[in-house]
Amino acid sequence: ETGVTQTPRHLVMGMTNKKSLKCEQHLGHNAMYWYKQSAKKPLELMFVYNFKEQTENNSVPSRFSPECPNSSHLFLHLHTLQPEDSALYLCASGVGDRETQYFGPGTRLLVL
Amino acid sequence: AQKITQTQPGMFVQEKEAVTLDCTYDTSDQSYGLFWYKQPSSGEMIFLIYQGSYDEQNATEGRYSLNFQKARKSANLVISASQLGDSAMYFCAMIRGKLIFGQGTELSVKP
Repeated sequence: ETGVTQTPRHLVMGMTNKKSLKCEQHLGHNAMYWYKQSAKKPLELMFVYNFKEQTENNSVPSRFSPECPNSSHLFLHLHTLQPEDSALYLCASGVGDRETQYFGPGTRLLVL
Repeated sequence: AQKITQTQPGMFVQEKEAVTLDCTYDTSDQSYGLFWYKQPSSGEMIFLIYQGSYDEQNATEGRYSLNFQKARKSANLVISASQLGDSAMYFCAMIRGKLIFGQGTELSVKP
């Protein structure tokens, strides 16, 4: 198994749909992260989970709802998104706040 | 506030030559970490190299080396003997509680 996996790799959804992104890490890390990468912009941190507890929400709209059932799995539930939410969503895992983060391949999301 | 600046939106390099990608950072913290990531067109962010603020020697990982100049607050990435597969976006990042990324540099390696 590769370190951090994400599914699906590509997703097209309408503004009224509900979908979920899944991230799984096989590295034994205790921290997991969701990032958003829009075209021509730096990565934006969305959420941080440490030992399943959410430790950071970077002013993300409520139409994005994260869930971390255990230290190995992280979900991002999507509901009534807007076209401007179209982006690459990257999941990462790490050990602590000064340690290297390892990223998954990302989910390319298109909201129509 | 912490900030990462990459001033080169795009760079070209001839295959087998060395290239330097610039990165400057701004922080008032004494303890921090600096990273370089590579992002090919597939989207995955690939960790390349790490430099701790207290590390006295520049980090090296194979063909990658980090030219760390603490007083200048710069952490440039040097790629030696460029290969066609090195063509990608390169991001400099700093961690102090959370990872902050620069805008990225798009590197194109010409045959």
